[in-house]
Amino acid sequence: SAVISQKPSRDICQRGTSLTIQCQVDSQVTMMFWYRQQPGQSLTLIATANQGSEATYESGFVIDKFPISRPNLTFSTLTVSNMSPEDSSIYLCSAQGPNTEAFFGQGTRLTVV
Amino acid sequence: GNSVTQMEGPVTLSEEAFLTINCTYTATGYPSLFWYVQYPGEGLQLLLKATKADDKGSNKGFEATYRKETTSFHLEKGSVQVSDSAVYFCALSDLSTGGGNKLTFGTGTQLKVEL
Repeated sequence: SAVISQKPSRDICQRGTSLTIQCQVDSQVTMMFWYRQQPGQSLTLIATANQGSEATYESGFVIDKFPISRPNLTFSTLTVSNMSPEDSSIYLCSAQGPNTEAFFGQGTRLTVV
Repeated sequence: GNSVTQMEGPVTLSEEAFLTINCTYTATGYPSLFWYVQYPGEGLQLLLKATKADDKGSNKGFEATYRKETTSFHLEKGSVQVSDSAVYFCALSDLSTGGGNKLTFGTGTQLKVEL
């Protein structure tokens, strides 16, 4: 099955700064997603990363706070902008091929201090 | 909208005990149902799935049956091992309502298996 490499695996950041998380898939996929998993909670979809166009954001998430890029079929980035302690979470990249189920990266554990 | 409700954890069992983790769902269309597992320090992995009513998904000794009449997809295993200790997530995707392949997750149930 396909493999997702997500970087960094963890980071500790100062409030007010931004962090960009990278997601690389080892094969071409049709869809890529970004999820957030807050401490003790389930996964919440942030957005669908669309190749070559603006991401599609879920309710409660906006592009200014979580800009997303997807320049090709195998790579996407999520930026968490102007961070506050409330952004401390695990951020997960997910991908899906035309005939496969969704698979996930190992996640980025972000702590904002 | 779609939603998934899971039994709360943590669940602590002795090795070789029987496991049930309850999951019920609400969906406006005809969803596919999944169980994902997250081992300590790792990402989510698909454990099993079912795409239509009465389908049974199975993998690694785990089973779950898609029950449309009770809108449930309970996870079961007859004899758990210490290596099954993980967090288990029930999820659905509903292509029929234009939701695409987006997954809606339950809150997760932590399982701890002791010797």
